[in-house]
Amino acid sequence: GQQLNQSPQSMFIQEGEDVSMNCTSSSIFNTWLWYKQDPGEGPVLLIALYKAGELTSNGRLTAQFGITRKDSFLNISASIPSDVGIYFCAGRSPPSGSARQLTFGSGTQLTVLP
Amino acid sequence: KAGVTQTPRYLIKTRGQQVTLSCSPISGHRSVSWYQQTPGQGLQFLFEYFSETQRNKGNFPGRFSGRQFSNSRSEMNVSTLELGDSALYLCASSLDTSNYGYTFGSGTRLTVV
Repeated sequence: GQQLNQSPQSMFIQEGEDVSMNCTSSSIFNTWLWYKQDPGEGPVLLIALYKAGELTSNGRLTAQFGITRKDSFLNISASIPSDVGIYFCAGRSPPSGSARQLTFGSGTQLTVLP
Repeated sequence: KAGVTQTPRYLIKTRGQQVTLSCSPISGHRSVSWYQQTPGQGLQFLFEYFSETQRNKGNFPGRFSGRQFSNSRSEMNVSTLELGDSALYLCASSLDTSNYGYTFGSGTRLTVV
């Protein structure tokens, strides 16, 4: 099956610092999504990317759909304590039969130190 | 508007038992997908329903099944529970099958003892 490699697995940063995480795939994706999950809750969609090369921002968050369609990154600028959580990338490959499910990365656990 | 509602939030079952989890999608959303989340395997797709029909299924054994009702509410059932079925089960809804940025519920935490 498809493999999504997300890195880093965990990050410890100081409040105010910028953060970057990325995902790479063994195959082409035509949709990339970034989610954040807080403890005891379901993932919340942060940014959706639908076109290769697309760069999209949502407040302090910026994500890009890699030009090769096999990677994506998420940047968080000027981190704050509420940024703490697990960040997941998710992707979907081009239509193939009935396949529509998302493939998720393993997550990046972000800790923001005061 | 109300988000995706999953019930119950927590559940403890014994090996061999069966369990039914419920998901009420956002009003107007007709597509419901189910995912299993475990520390070892991460988020894995179970199945997707749209207009009461299963449109897609992940690589899970037949003990995992689901259905969708005419009001778009969905249930998933796991029979003959195993210890390895302990997980957070997440439901996500979207307007239709072409929308991938779907909204997740808070999940049902199932513990099998």
